[in-house]
Amino acid sequence: NAGVTQTPKFQVLKTGQSMTLQCAQDMNHNSMYWYRQDPGMGLRLIYYSASEGTTDKGEVPNGYNVSRLNKREFSLRLESAAPSQTSVYFCASSERGSFPDEQYFGPGTRLTVT
Amino acid sequence: GNSVTQMEGPVTLSEEAFLTINCTYTATGYPSLFWYVQYPGEGLQLLLKATKADDKGSNKGFEATYRKETTSFHLEKGSVQVSDSAVYFCALAVNTGFQKLVFGTGTRLLVSP
Repeated sequence: NAGVTQTPKFQVLKTGQSMTLQCAQDMNHNSMYWYRQDPGMGLRLIYYSASEGTTDKGEVPNGYNVSRLNKREFSLRLESAAPSQTSVYFCASSERGSFPDEQYFGPGTRLTVT
Repeated sequence: GNSVTQMEGPVTLSEEAFLTINCTYTATGYPSLFWYVQYPGEGLQLLLKATKADDKGSNKGFEATYRKETTSFHLEKGSVQVSDSAVYFCALAVNTGFQKLVFGTGTRLLVSP
């Protein structure tokens, strides 16, 4: 099993450009998450999908959209990138989303917006 | 609201030294508590967890005890190795409905030979 995979690993965008970060899991998990990691701030939840067909906002959703394409895939889209979105983005998945549950993380995408 | 406070790093130790990384929390209800570890260039991995007061989580020589009276979940290891160098995150999840994690800011551990 590959676990949680993310593409791309690195990306540089200019302000105003758009892009989609891809995430896939092969563990048949129901719930998936997108986080951003910034220095001195830990991980913050952007959006999550409790189950296929549902998505909900997390702590910092502004400037992002998500799509739960199927049970395996959960993408994050930046429509008009801003320098404040420079960060490392992590996708995670968990079996059911309810207590008790372990989240499994992908390797991350390092995004720089100039 | 729910929050996690960790000691600032980096924590620099020599191999075989004793490690403590402090973590305290504020939560509504009765949370589950977690320690995640992030090795360089990788995503986070669950290190250990505790789901109720006085539970002790342990893994790979690391331990943490859920202390409700002091709202703490300090991470300890008796003898660190160079391979333990990583960033350690304390996190909580409130046990109602959909489980969302709240992370601390992370503590970087550097272990020298």
